[in-house]
Amino acid sequence: GQNIDQPTEMTATEGAIVQINCTYQTSGFNGLFWYQQHAGEAPTFLSYNVLDGLEEKGRFSSFLSRSKGYSYLLLKELQMKDSASYLCAVRDSNYQLIWGAGTKLIIKP
Amino acid sequence: IAGITQAPTSQILAAGRRMTLRCTQDMRHNAMYWYRQDLGLGLRLIHYSNTAGTTGKGEVPDGYSVSRANTDDFPLTLASAVPSQTSVYFCASSDSASGGSNEQFFGPGTRLTVL
Repeated sequence: GQNIDQPTEMTATEGAIVQINCTYQTSGFNGLFWYQQHAGEAPTFLSYNVLDGLEEKGRFSSFLSRSKGYSYLLLKELQMKDSASYLCAVRDSNYQLIWGAGTKLIIKP
Repeated sequence: IAGITQAPTSQILAAGRRMTLRCTQDMRHNAMYWYRQDLGLGLRLIHYSNTAGTTGKGEVPDGYSVSRANTDDFPLTLASAVPSQTSVYFCASSDSASGGSNEQFFGPGTRLTVL
């Protein structure tokens, strides 16, 4: 079967750095996506990785290791508005997205 | 319209009733998708359409049907609603269904309760 694992919930302090991990087992791999979803809202795209390594975009970075079936999303200089759920999704051999259940990130002052 | 819209925003429905959730995008995207999101579970694909005139089944298609008569619209129909279809439904679209960083853009969602 196909499986995406992420921690259910994480807590971090405003101004700090947090790393959200994602491990996956899927039938094929055609890229990995990270989305942000605020409570009661739609998911919005954050990042895309298809090759191994780090992709940096402002305060957010995403890392991929295909051999380990592993990715992480790194958020720096945390702000209260970063309180949200972060969704990891893998595009499989059929080019469909397989989604993790999401990690709820709580930011404390 | 800018982006992707869904209607209604929310709905309470009696079991056994028929319901159509509407989805319209103005980005001229080829691919469209319907997901349901339930607490503790990831988004699950119900149906998809890679291009106008074609549709396909996702992970959880039973009890749902779709049509794609044109590029912009992708309605989702529940023929006879059951309580297990209580969920938040998201419509999404992407420029292409194939590779590359073709991210999916999501509509605001429809919160459906079946009693």
